[in-house]
Amino acid sequence: LAKTTQPISMDSYEGQEVNITCSHNNIATNDYITWYQQFPSQGPRFIIQGYKTKVTNEVASLFIPADRKSSTLSLPRVSLSDTAVYYCLVGDNQGGKLIFGQGTELSVKP
Amino acid sequence: DGGITQSPKYLFRKEGQNVTLSCEQNLNHDAMYWYRQDPGQGLRLIYYSQIVNDFQKGDIAEGYSVSREKKESFPLTVTSAQKNPTAFYLCASSQAGDRGYYEQYFGPGTRLTVT
Repeated sequence: LAKTTQPISMDSYEGQEVNITCSHNNIATNDYITWYQQFPSQGPRFIIQGYKTKVTNEVASLFIPADRKSSTLSLPRVSLSDTAVYYCLVGDNQGGKLIFGQGTELSVKP
Repeated sequence: DGGITQSPKYLFRKEGQNVTLSCEQNLNHDAMYWYRQDPGQGLRLIYYSQIVNDFQKGDIAEGYSVSREKKESFPLTVTSAQKNPTAFYLCASSQAGDRGYYEQYFGPGTRLTVT
């Protein structure tokens, strides 16, 4: 499974757009890119998944360049409740295994 | 409501005792997973099961055991052989589809403290 690298922490203010970039240089052809959100003492929650170009849902957007060696999770107009840890995962979905890194701890300030 | 339940939320045990953590899902998902999370760390996979009566070791299976006798249940036993059992334990499930396994749904977790 491909290894991912993302910033340990980020700070933002309410109402701003937040972009979290994840590096995955060894991504394989069959791999998908998935992002999860985790609040303290809770299980992670799926945010978005993509394979290439851009994916958007009601919560976030995921931008994936043509070489797929990185991806950017974009959270529009964050609020205090978006303070959480965000994990970027890369895998082919076939074995069902997910490898979680340390994630990015996002702190949204008023 | 559909979802994953884990019980209990908090569990305390004495060192040397085995303890079993419960995980039940009513999502009709094929696959189930157990993770361990230590403070400030990401999740680490203990065991996973893609089908009833079959399971595979994850990255940190030593000191743990599981069973998958029913599709909806995947209990985890933390044995006395696990050197550092105090942690937050998370159970998850996912459904196999035409492009592999879809996103995992997580339970609320069980915080185990062993003294």
